Amino acid sequence: GDSVTQMEGPVTLSEEAFLTINCTYTATGYPSLFWYVQYPGEGLQLLLKATKADDKGSNKGFEATYRKETTSFHLEKGSVQVSDSAVYFCALSVGRDDKIIFGKGTRLHILP
Amino acid sequence: GAVVSQHPSWVICKSGTSVKIECRSLDFQATTMFWYRQFPKQSLMLMATSNEGSKATYEQGVEKDKFLINHASLTLSTLTVTSAHPEDSSFYICSASGQGGGYGYTFGSGTRLTVV
Repeated sequence: GDSVTQMEGPVTLSEEAFLTINCTYTATGYPSLFWYVQYPGEGLQLLLKATKADDKGSNKGFEATYRKETTSFHLEKGSVQVSDSAVYFCALSVGRDDKIIFGKGTRLHILP
Repeated sequence: GAVVSQHPSWVICKSGTSVKIECRSLDFQATTMFWYRQFPKQSLMLMATSNEGSKATYEQGVEKDKFLINHASLTLSTLTVTSAHPEDSSFYICSASGQGGGYGYTFGSGTRLTVV
C-alpha cells in the first residue's frame, strides 16, 4: 500500500547549519507530496507541496523537489534558525478521496 | 486564509463516558473532513473520511461504533468517542478541504483526550 518513510529524529543542529530531512514514498499512481510542520503546542501547518515530478516546493527558506526516479521528497534549508525547531511530517496524497498518508515525523532541535 | 476550529483543545473524562469533539470550518465550505489520531511520537493515523451529508468511510481497524462521525453540514463535523477507555487517550486532529479552502488541507489545532 501507499506509505511514507522519513528519517527518524530527533535531529539536533546548531543555528545556521544546513538541514536535510530525508523522505521517500511508495504509492500507486501519481501522488502529490507535502511537508507539514507542527510547532510546539500548535496544530499542523502546510509548509510546502509539489504536485508532479520535478516540481520544487518552497516556503520560509525550505525547499523540497519531487523526484520520481528516486521516489523522494527530501526537505532542505540552507541556514536553520532556532525558530525552526518543530516536528516535520512528510506526506502524500493520492486517489479520488485525496486522503493524506503521513510519515512518522522528524523532531528538529536547533541550538542557538 | 482557510481556518478550521477544533473544540475542545483538551478534555479529561472518566472511563465509560462519551466525549464529543467538534471540527468547524470558519470561512469555507468543507465538503470533506478527515479525522486523525496521533499517538505519542507516532505519525498521524487516518481514522475516517467524511463527506457532507453521507456516512463516514472508516479505515481498516477503526471501530465505527466506537468512533461516531457526523458531518451534517458543510461547516461542521463531529467525532464522538463512545464508552471511552484509557487506551482511547490520544491526540485527535481533524482536517478539512473544500471550496474556498485553498489548495490542500487545513488542520484543526487538535484535541488531547485523556481517559481516566
